[in-house]
Amino acid sequence: GENVEQHPSTLSVQEGDSAVIKCTYSDSASNYFPWYKQELGKRPQLIIDIRSNVGEKKDQRIAVTLNKTAKHFSLHITETQPEDSAVYFCAARGPNYQLIWGAGTKLIIKP
Amino acid sequence: NAGVMQNPRHLVRRRGQEARLRCSPMKGHSHVYWYRQLPEEGLKFMVYLQKENIIDESGMPKERFSAEFPKEGPSILRIQQVVRGDSAAYFCASSPGRASYNEQFFGPGTRLTVL
Repeated sequence: GENVEQHPSTLSVQEGDSAVIKCTYSDSASNYFPWYKQELGKRPQLIIDIRSNVGEKKDQRIAVTLNKTAKHFSLHITETQPEDSAVYFCAARGPNYQLIWGAGTKLIIKP
Repeated sequence: NAGVMQNPRHLVRRRGQEARLRCSPMKGHSHVYWYRQLPEEGLKFMVYLQKENIIDESGMPKERFSAEFPKEGPSILRIQQVVRGDSAAYFCASSPGRASYNEQFFGPGTRLTVL
């Protein structure tokens, strides 16, 4: 079945710098890749997603890239701000439309 | 339009008791997914249901766990004879249909603590 790996598990960046989180997936049939942000004690919130027919998508300070050949996708956050501190999860759509999740990246923005 | 509702938000059970978790999808959504999140970990898929049908239960333990989504009323995740390892946050998500790109909208979760 589908397996999603996510790195790093913790990422600490200076406020204003960029952050990059990377994920790989195993099932070449996967065609939808969302990214979620989860604050402590809260529900996951979708921040951006990408479909397999697109290589890159951008929404203000957030962008996602997808390399289908290599089966990896990445989240890029530019000009990081304190409110970006959270746990970020990548996911891939499985064969029955369920989401298969990465283990998460704790992003720490240092003032 | 109310979002996905889950209740209770917090549930405490003693070992051996039963836990019932409820999920009301967004209005117009007929697809429900249940996920479990252990502390400091990602979400794990448990079960996918449509009204009156279980579509995929491959992520749900075969013993003690069951799920339903009746024609009327919320989806229910039931855990019998709970053990300490069942302590986790249980999230449900709903989507309007089966299209591959449909976003899943998450409820606030039920945090189950087994004493």
